[in-house]
Amino acid sequence: EPEVTQTPSHQVTQMGQEVILRCVPISNHLYFYWYRQILGQKVEFLVSFYNNEISEKSEIFDDQFSVERPDGSNFTLKIRSTKLEDSAMYFCASGSAYNEQFFGPGTRLTVL
Amino acid sequence: AQSVTQLGSHVSVSEGALVLLRCNYSSSVPPYLFWYVQYPNQGLQLLLKYTSAATLVKGINGFEAEFKKSETSFHLTKPSAHMSDAAEYFCAVSTIIQGAQKLVFGQGTRLTINP
Repeated sequence: EPEVTQTPSHQVTQMGQEVILRCVPISNHLYFYWYRQILGQKVEFLVSFYNNEISEKSEIFDDQFSVERPDGSNFTLKIRSTKLEDSAMYFCASGSAYNEQFFGPGTRLTVL
Repeated sequence: AQSVTQLGSHVSVSEGALVLLRCNYSSSVPPYLFWYVQYPNQGLQLLLKYTSAATLVKGINGFEAEFKKSETSFHLTKPSAHMSDAAEYFCAVSTIIQGAQKLVFGQGTRLTINP
């Protein structure tokens, strides 16, 4: 069964460093998303991406964040200068239709 | 703005007992509603979804949920709990923006099954 994959599973970085989180969505999906979950808190929407552009982004998704679909298979989330409060589990999701999303296993980001 | 409230951050039931996880939503438009399950160290797996068809929705692993507009609720139930049901459960409501979907999640409910 097709699934969304994410790499790495765990990323440790120093504050101020850039990180790139990678996702491979399910191959025929057209809609792509990033969410995050700070430890002990709810899952929060970051951004949706469709037709090679951002559809919507949350207040969390400021100028330090960017997304890209560089090669038609990967979907990346870049954080330019990480802060301590960026430490969280980041989930990628994809969907073929507007009413369902399939989630990856997540990348745990730890900012020291 | 849409929101979801899950009553009870922790629910504990005995194996074989009824599972009831509560979810109330707030939405200015007819909602799409979802229940996701998260097992330890795994991603979110869709259990079931309500998309304005039948109000009683059946999902995987014997779970079902009933959409009650008058109560703005979408509670998740399972008649008989199994040890493998121990996990975190998330209720979510969605909005559609330019064809893409934004999920708004509740805080989650951790379900523990006692032998």
